[in-house]
Amino acid sequence: GAVVSQHPSWVICKSGTSVKIECRSLDFQATTMFWYRQFPKQSLMLMATSNEGSKATYEQGVEKDKFLINHASLTLSTLTVTSAHPEDSSFYICSARKGGGLDTQYFGPGTRLTVL
Amino acid sequence: GDSVTQMEGPVTLSEEAFLTINCTYTATGYPSLFWYVQYPGEGLQLLLKATKADDKGSNKGFEATYRKETTSFHLEKGSVQVSDSAVYFCALSDRMDSSYKLIFGSGTRLLVRP
Repeated sequence: GAVVSQHPSWVICKSGTSVKIECRSLDFQATTMFWYRQFPKQSLMLMATSNEGSKATYEQGVEKDKFLINHASLTLSTLTVTSAHPEDSSFYICSARKGGGLDTQYFGPGTRLTVL
Repeated sequence: GDSVTQMEGPVTLSEEAFLTINCTYTATGYPSLFWYVQYPGEGLQLLLKATKADDKGSNKGFEATYRKETTSFHLEKGSVQVSDSAVYFCALSDRMDSSYKLIFGSGTRLLVRP
């Protein structure tokens, strides 16, 4: 199989605090991980692409100083939302791609962030 | 840039009805095409894929054919079940883009009534 987990599944925090979300590939090594944001009843918007051991590539309009991504190993990537505000409330989803030239991504279950 | 357009939902069908969800794409390179499904409370799951023109992806009774001439990848199922109720996303990945990032359509919600 190809299982991707996320932790936590939901989090509530106060405005101004930082929140870290973990994404793990449980049974494979992921050369690339992706972070998406999904608004209610809308599609997934790619935020950034991260490769193990290198800096993440952010999509246009995504603040890299606000959404810190670390891909420290082939099975773990983290997204830290710094100084969170209510407008950052959303559903954050990660995905992981196996290596070997395959273009199939496997998705985590998502993390619901609510900023009060 | 590359983009994916899906028919708007929700689509409401009775059990055993025929399903079509339209998807068209725009791409400058040579895309692979995907359908992902998101069941309530769960993450996206790959439903099927096709990597070149005229390929047909199929899984769980769902099918989609990569039509380069019409730039389409419509999802079909001959007889839907209540358990098929979910949100369906069409997506593409440009194989000329080494990042393999996915570009998604807006999603189509399917509701199947008993």
